[in-house]
Amino acid sequence: GEDVEQSLFLSVREGDSSVINCTYTDSSSTYLYWYKQEPGAGLQLLTYIFSNMDMKQDQRLTVLLNKKDKHLSLRIADTQTGDSAIYFCAESMGNTDKLIFGTGTRLQVFP
Amino acid sequence: NAGVTQTPKFQVLKTGQSMTLQCAQDMNHNSMYWYRQDPGMGLRLIYYSASEGTTDKGEVPNGYNVSRLNKREFSLRLESAAPSQTSVYFCASRTSDTQYFGPGTRLTVL
Repeated sequence: GEDVEQSLFLSVREGDSSVINCTYTDSSSTYLYWYKQEPGAGLQLLTYIFSNMDMKQDQRLTVLLNKKDKHLSLRIADTQTGDSAIYFCAESMGNTDKLIFGTGTRLQVFP
Repeated sequence: NAGVTQTPKFQVLKTGQSMTLQCAQDMNHNSMYWYRQDPGMGLRLIYYSASEGTTDKGEVPNGYNVSRLNKREFSLRLESAAPSQTSVYFCASRTSDTQYFGPGTRLTVL
C-alpha cells in the first residue's frame, strides 16, 4: 500500500541549513508536496514538485527529488526561528486527486 | 477571497452527541476533502468529493457522514460521537495540482 515516511524531529541552529527528508512508495505519483504547519494552525503549502523534475528552488527553499529511490527532501537555507513548525511531505496517488501525507517532521530552531 | 473556512474552531461533545462540521471555499474548486489529524499519524483522509453531488470514502470513513451541499460547501457529520473521534479536523479544496487547507476544527469527545 501507499506509505510516506519522515523522521519525527529535527533540531538546527539559527542560520544553519535544515534538510528534511521523506520517502514515498507510489511510483506513479504525479506531484509531491511540502506543507508547513505552525502551532494551532492549518497546513500551508510551501512548495511542490512535478514528478518529472529533479530539483526546484524557491527563495530559501530547495526541493530535491530522487525518483529512482523515491526520496524527496526539503532544504531550508539560513533557517530562522520563524521556520520552527511541523513539515509534512505528501504524494499524490497516481492519477487520483487524493494525497497521502507523512507523519510530519517537527523542526526546532534554536538561537 | 477567504479561501477555505471552517466552523466551529473548537467543540467539546459528550459521547453519543451529534454535530456537523461546516466547510466552505470561495475559490470555485470542484474537489473538496475532510481529513483528521492525530499525533504521530499525520493527516488521514475521511471522505472526499470530486464534484458537486458526489462523495467517496477515504482511509477512515467509519463513524462519519458527509454532504456536498453545493459547489462551495462540504459538511462532515458525526451522528454519535465517540472518544476515538477526538482529533483536529481539516477541510481542503483542490485546484488542478494543489490542495488548500482550512484552519481546522479541534474536537474533543468526552
